[in-house]
Amino acid sequence: DSGVTQTPKHLITATGQRVTLRCSPRSGDLSVYWYQQSLDQGLQFLIQYYNGEERAKGNILERFSAQQFPDLHSELNLSSLELGDSALYFCASSSVGSGTGAYGYTFGSGTRLTVV
Amino acid sequence: AQKITQTQPGMFVQEKEAVTLDCTYDTSDPSYGLFWYKQPSSGEMIFLIYQGSYDQQNATEGRYSLNFQKARKSANLVISASQLGDSAMYFCAMREGIYRDDKIIFGKGTRLHILP
Repeated sequence: DSGVTQTPKHLITATGQRVTLRCSPRSGDLSVYWYQQSLDQGLQFLIQYYNGEERAKGNILERFSAQQFPDLHSELNLSSLELGDSALYFCASSSVGSGTGAYGYTFGSGTRLTVV
Repeated sequence: AQKITQTQPGMFVQEKEAVTLDCTYDTSDPSYGLFWYKQPSSGEMIFLIYQGSYDQQNATEGRYSLNFQKARKSANLVISASQLGDSAMYFCAMREGIYRDDKIIFGKGTRLHILP
């Protein structure tokens, strides 16, 4: 267990629907990052929150939104879903001076979204 | 804008041989960090190794080493004595800037197949 919890692990939904993906960061981590990984592709950065505030934005569609709550968990909302939104969505967390030795992320196990 | 290039979409290597996975990066920031992650078929992201731009020596972690050539903006991953369990997708990534909670940008990955 990496300490970053993502729910649900799998999600199947129809086109046009809306879903919410949830992420609980590792204890003590203030930053949460969301990534999208389509089939056989790299990880595309979507958005970062730091202690409740949006910190950086990547190639996130207008149909997608995110927020980070006071307890630091984060939710990624995907609406008007299209077939092309089918992907593995990762959440990661980090904290300045987290002492990982790598100054990198702790990844969750991902949510696999299938839009049918 | 920062950029990561992995030019090898796929590689086949005989078990017990050494493997070099190529990665070049582009940034104008003198302060950055380079990462390699492994993604097995199960999907999770596994951190392998980190190199800071100011680190004088190449990073090593067990069978993994990072061949860091700063002038060439190259950060190749070397896996010594490959094993069947090394078969996976490998991502090179970079964090730009001095803040350890800045976002990390990933390359498109190299799929490594280890042959028995």
